[in-house]
Order: sequence, then C-alpha cells, then structure tokens
Amino acid sequence: NAGVMQNPRHLVRRRGQEARLRCSPMKGHSHVYWYRQLPEEGLKFMVYLQKENIIDESGMPKERFSAEFPKEGPSILRIQQVVRGDSAAYFCASSSITSGGNTIYFGEGSWLTVV
Amino acid sequence: DQQVKQNSPSLSVQEGRISILNCDYTNSMFDYFLWYKKYPAEGPTFLISISSIKDKNEDGRFTVFLNKSAKHLSLHIVPSQPGDSAVYFCALGAGNNRKLIWGLGTSLAVNP
Repeated sequence: NAGVMQNPRHLVRRRGQEARLRCSPMKGHSHVYWYRQLPEEGLKFMVYLQKENIIDESGMPKERFSAEFPKEGPSILRIQQVVRGDSAAYFCASSSITSGGNTIYFGEGSWLTVV
Repeated sequence: DQQVKQNSPSLSVQEGRISILNCDYTNSMFDYFLWYKKYPAEGPTFLISISSIKDKNEDGRFTVFLNKSAKHLSLHIVPSQPGDSAVYFCALGAGNNRKLIWGLGTSLAVNP
C-alpha cells in the first residue's frame, strides 16, 4: 500500500491522558502535514513538517500539542493531558518536492474520542 | 476572516445532471487551486487542480474553472452519479507556501 498510513484509526482516551497519533507518508514523500476536523467544522491546518524540521506550526494550539517527524520512522502528533474538546478527526497528509503544485495526499484519518 | 468561502453548505442534484460547486476567495496571492472529495469517516481524496496560468482544467467528468478577476473557482461534475455524493472542499495555495487554505466544504447529494 503506497498511500499515507495513519494509526490508530480510532483512539479513546480519558481526560488527562496522552494521545499519540502516527503517520507514515507516501513512499518518496518528505513533507508531512497534520490537519484537524472538529465536529461540524471544516479542515484546519495544524502543522507542516519535513524530516527533523518543523516548517510551519501556526495552526498548533500553544499548549499540550506537539509534532515531530524524525529522520527515521513515522511522524507523531502528540496531545498531552487531553480534554473533551480535543475529540476530533486528525488527518495526516504528505507531499513530495515534485508533487504537482501544492497537491497533498491524505491518509484515512485518526478519530480521537476523549471521555 | 475567512479567505476561502464555499457559500453553499449543501447541494442536491438529480443523477445524470450537472453538479456545480463554487468557491470564492479574497486573496489574489493564491495561484494554485485544488478540489478534494471526502466521504464520511475517510480522508479527503484529491480530485483535480488548476494553476493560475489556466482558466480551465478537465479530467473525465470533472472540470475546474478559474475566474481570477472574480476570484472565483468552480467544479463541474457531469454527468453526476450517486457515488459522487460526498463533501467537496476547495483548497488554495500560494507560491512555495505548502500550507493550503481550505473552504468549509459543500455536501453534495446526487439522487437516483
């Protein structure tokens, strides 16, 4: 499967726990993006990373959220001390330097439910 | 202040007819325009794109039109099929900035 892979697809956490969402980009892609879709809302950009670098994190909440894309392994979106408002679908996307224009390709998403 | 607007939250069309989805933007810096389709519980799927040097791009049943002077983008689907029922998002980019700005989506229902 050459697509963007996200896991877990569904994650349930109690308030105060940590959530870790993983994303493996498409083969050959070196750019990763995280988006969030809250219930009844559109897609919101969170962060854009290249290997070992955060390029744009203007959409990341200031506290509790962090993202990384290490030299080896998947990109990780980490949410510490989750609250009910963090319940959302989190989508990862990837692109390559040669992707047409700004075209990005999405994974299937990770649905976080905070109880 | 929303830079990208999809003013119709929903649209209902009869099978076989044309579906027209619209997207308006305010920033003339945008030079790359994309449409994505999203089914419930799935990630968005790239459909078609157009750069600012063109005013039309066609791919099978899907055609995207760009009117730069009006800052207006549209997606035409013809003929519409029930499997096209989904939420459609326009997403806009500018230059080398790979952060896309998204509309809120239009939910299309194609009725048999």
